[in-house]
Amino acid sequence: RKEVEQDPGPFNVPEGATVAFNCTYSNSASQSFFWYRQDCRKEPKLLMSVYSSGNEDGRFTAQLNRASQYISLLIRDSKLSDSATYLCVVTSSGGYQKVTFGTGTKLQVIP
Amino acid sequence: DVKVTQSSRYLVKRTGEKVFLECVQDMDHENMFWYRQDPGLGLRLIYFSYDVKMKEKGDIPEGYSVSREKKERFSLILESASTNQTSMYLCASSLSWTGKFQETQYFGPGTRLLVL
Repeated sequence: RKEVEQDPGPFNVPEGATVAFNCTYSNSASQSFFWYRQDCRKEPKLLMSVYSSGNEDGRFTAQLNRASQYISLLIRDSKLSDSATYLCVVTSSGGYQKVTFGTGTKLQVIP
Repeated sequence: DVKVTQSSRYLVKRTGEKVFLECVQDMDHENMFWYRQDPGLGLRLIYFSYDVKMKEKGDIPEGYSVSREKKERFSLILESASTNQTSMYLCASSLSWTGKFQETQYFGPGTRLLVL
């Protein structure tokens, strides 16, 4: 089993739709969780951290479910500019923290 | 704003050549990372460094070495380039290990390396 798994997509959704991605992780000792966004042929950039209590930033909501070992990202009212690949990132304890990236979920918002 | 720069955006090298990829960050970050990104495989960690002259192997260190002589600069070295090292190479830095803010990684624009 991969340490961090994501559905590669692509998710093709119309403008204004709500879309959700999940990311599962295998290490129950994982400590920190993030969502990064990567535009085509660009570097990844932090979208948001994921807190145990869940967190929201405008149209974006991130949730953590430790019992089932997954994190989720919900995007409401999708915009064309949301088209990108969304990377799940998990850090685990053990000396210097191990950072693992998922392979990403591609989102295409269609006019 | 954190700025991470990489020495080249595109690089073409021949098999067997020694290749140097340079990365510089301007925010006094402790940690620096080198990844490669390949379609379907995502980002894979090659090496990271948590302090000057300190380095740790990542998941795929074979065929690579690194150097961190100054805090702001982290170099990736391909001792003898091979065609399977054709990839996008991304450098990143983070402030430290503790806390979500400190762990946030900032990436450079990437170097697309083609080994012929």
